Amino acid sequence: EADIYQTPRYLVIGTGKKITLECSQTMGHDKMYWYQQDPGMELHLIHYSYGVNSTEKGDLSSESTVSRIRTEHFPLTLESARPSHTSQYLCASSNPAGTGVTGELFFGEGSRLTVL
Amino acid sequence: AQSVTQLDSQVPVFEEAPVELRCNYSSSVSVYLFWYVQYPNQGLQLLLKYLSGSTLVESINGFEAEFNKSQTSFHLRKPSVHISDTAEYFCAVRTQGGSEKLVFGKGTKLTVNP
Repeated sequence: EADIYQTPRYLVIGTGKKITLECSQTMGHDKMYWYQQDPGMELHLIHYSYGVNSTEKGDLSSESTVSRIRTEHFPLTLESARPSHTSQYLCASSNPAGTGVTGELFFGEGSRLTVL
Repeated sequence: AQSVTQLDSQVPVFEEAPVELRCNYSSSVSVYLFWYVQYPNQGLQLLLKYLSGSTLVESINGFEAEFNKSQTSFHLRKPSVHISDTAEYFCAVRTQGGSEKLVFGKGTKLTVNP
């Protein structure tokens, strides 16, 4: 069973609020990712990190930001939430290359955000 | 760039019937292929993967998938499904030796009815 945790699982907030979605993993993985998931759509990579102090934007443009100050922690922040940000956000991590299944991602249970 | 097409958005079947979930991919280079499963209100879990070697790969719960390079496909099959197999299934691809980012399909929702 994967040891990657996301909080909150569900969040309903008003427009303009600042929110932070937390993601932590206890597997010592260097690589971490944030995906956005909408019903009937592909999972879209919005941010990734290959280690501490390393963050990159993914394939889908997002107004969110991320930070990676500690290996185990990869929070996602929206400074001013809007209804268009309503979605499910999935955090994932992966093994360092050469030490496990190539490319296997371990996912958290997701944070479902609703912005009113 | 890679892309993944899952041809069926929803597949309803009866319990104990066989099922095939279709996945085609597009890539100009060699790829690794994955199937992930997402049960209701949970994150995604790896179901099976093709990295190299035998083109037929199996999961511990009876699913199998076959890599067909000429048809650029990686269809998922199970000869007899259970109610507990009801979930959404995502096909994913990443290039060998390149970026480690996975590209996912839109998912297929499998519903197993009694």
